[in-house]
Parts: sequence; C-alpha cells; structure tokens
Amino acid sequence: QKEVEQDPGPLSVPEGAIVSLNCTYSNSAFQYFMWYRQYSRKGPELLMYTYSSGNKEDGRFTAQVDKSSKYISLFIRDSQPSDSATYLCAMSAGNTPLVFGKGTRLSVIA
Amino acid sequence: GAVVSQHPSRVICKSGTSVKIECRSLDFQATTMFWYRQFPKQSLMLMATSNEGSKATYEQGVEKDKFLINHASLTLSTLTVTSAHPEDSSFYICSTVGTNLYEQYFGPGTRLTVT
Repeated sequence: QKEVEQDPGPLSVPEGAIVSLNCTYSNSAFQYFMWYRQYSRKGPELLMYTYSSGNKEDGRFTAQVDKSSKYISLFIRDSQPSDSATYLCAMSAGNTPLVFGKGTRLSVIA
Repeated sequence: GAVVSQHPSRVICKSGTSVKIECRSLDFQATTMFWYRQFPKQSLMLMATSNEGSKATYEQGVEKDKFLINHASLTLSTLTVTSAHPEDSSFYICSTVGTNLYEQYFGPGTRLTVT
C-alpha cells in the first residue's frame, strides 16, 4: 500500500458546483497536511495546510482532516473555470520531507 | 510565501550531454532546498535534499553521480543531469523550505527533454 493514495481523476464539474477532493494515507505519524494546486507546466503552489485533525476554511476552500480514518479532503465551493488545475495532497510527520499524492486533475466547465 | 525561480524553464538536449538547472530563492535565504522529479500523471518524487555548504542527501534509488547538486550559496542550488538519456526526460522542480519542513515553496519547474 502506498503511503498516500489519491484518485487521479480526471474530475469534470460545471461552474458553480461544489468540488470534493480526497486523499487517504497509511502513516499514522503524519501530522501536517497540505493541499497544493498545480497548473499545467507550472510548479505547485501551496493552497492550505492543516495541523492534526479538524477543519480549516479560507474563502471558497475548506480543508478537512480526519486522522482516525486517515482521510483528508479539500472542498471547493462555487467552483470557477480558473480552479481547473491538478490538486495534490501532501503530508509530513513534521521534520520529514513531504510525501505527495499523485494529484487529481480537475476541470471546471463554464 | 517565498519566491522561487528556475532556469531554464525548458531544455532539449541530446543523449549523452549534461544539463544544468538553476534554482534561486529570490526573497529568502534558503539553507535547505529540495529537488523533485515529476513524470506525466505521476506524483512529485523527492530526489534529493540540498543543503547550503554541504553535500546533498539523495533519496534511495537516485544516482548521486548522475544528478549532481551544488548549493554554494543561500540563494542558489543547481542540479546537473550528467550524461542525460531519454529516460531522464521529466519535469524537474525545486523548492525552498520555510520556517518548518512542511512549509515548502516551489519553483515553476524545468521541463527536460532528452532526444
């Protein structure tokens, strides 16, 4: 089993839809959970990070972490065509390098 | 977050030649930088950790003699792919580390194509 599993998609939704992106993981030592957005042929940019379990909201984005289930989610409300990108989850135990998921390719159709 | 640049953004080279990729931290003194490789539809795979003034630490399976890393200053790390082969064609991305190891800021990437 890979340390981090993420469905690569692609995921296609109409503009305005709520998008749910998810990752599961196997390493219970992970404490920090990040979501990165990567546009085509660009480097990833940090969207949100969460420490331990709980929710975090930033504008249209909400990150959720459920450590008991080893499951994290990113919700995008009122999705826009500009949200079309690949979304990568990443995790760390703290003083260890990030472990990335494969990324989910999202297309928001106008 | 920190601003990171990479040069070149894309490079095409012939098999057997060497290619140098630069990673610069523009507004931040980076004692640690990471080098990643990303194949199409694959995750970012950590290749090595670059430490200013000391030898890089390579991940298992990454040949240190093939992927030479130099981190001579707090703002510049270079990755040289020596004797490149078509299977080295990939997207190479560097990142700098913020206050904490999990806080990374990525460069725009370099697409290497070896013909």
